[in-house]
Amino acid sequence: AQSVTQLGSHVSVSEGALVLLRCNYSSSVPPYLFWYVQYPNQGLQLLLKYTSAATLVKGINGFEAEFKKSETSFHLTKPSAHMSDAAEYFCAVTADRGSSNTGKLIFGQGTTLQVKP
Amino acid sequence: DSGVTQTPKHLITATGQRVTLRCSPRSGDLSVYWYQQSLDQGLQFLIQYYNGEERAKGNILERFSAQQFPDLHSELNLSSLELGDSALYFCASSVAGGTGYEQYFGPGTRLTVT
Repeated sequence: AQSVTQLGSHVSVSEGALVLLRCNYSSSVPPYLFWYVQYPNQGLQLLLKYTSAATLVKGINGFEAEFKKSETSFHLTKPSAHMSDAAEYFCAVTADRGSSNTGKLIFGQGTTLQVKP
Repeated sequence: DSGVTQTPKHLITATGQRVTLRCSPRSGDLSVYWYQQSLDQGLQFLIQYYNGEERAKGNILERFSAQQFPDLHSELNLSSLELGDSALYFCASSVAGGTGYEQYFGPGTRLTVT
């Protein structure tokens, strides 16, 4: 079975500082990995996706994530935080490939990013 | 705007009642997913449909059922509601039903059971 662990339910950074949100996954097969952002009272918006084409994935709004197989990690980073980045961030992994071939996502518990002025 | 629409936006109902949540996928998307978001369980996959057929089932209670219609919209039916069913219910859609396709989420339906 696949699973995702997001380290830190709350992360606080100052505006202009580096953002680092941690995600570790468990998977018996090469995974597809996703980061989603949820602003208050809104649905989830896809930030970026790893599909094995490149280990460093660039997404929207200046975010990027690096897939590290040896560490089973897919941490999300942004060089300089903006006030508008304050939101909840979810890491997700797909279910097993192969016979099931379903696109269902397994989500981490989420990390709330606070950006201080 | 993801292109996925969900109605209603809010729903308040009493225990024991039955409700229906509706989702229209993005134009061209064949697969619809339903997820439940609650404070204690987080985001949980409920069920997936692909082109009218059930593709995968997750942590969906027997009191809950869903279907996808020929026009590809989907409905999630929740019956014999309990207080613990209060949650945000999201619908997502993707172009195909397999692994790795991006899923686009609707704004959600907030269900409150009193």
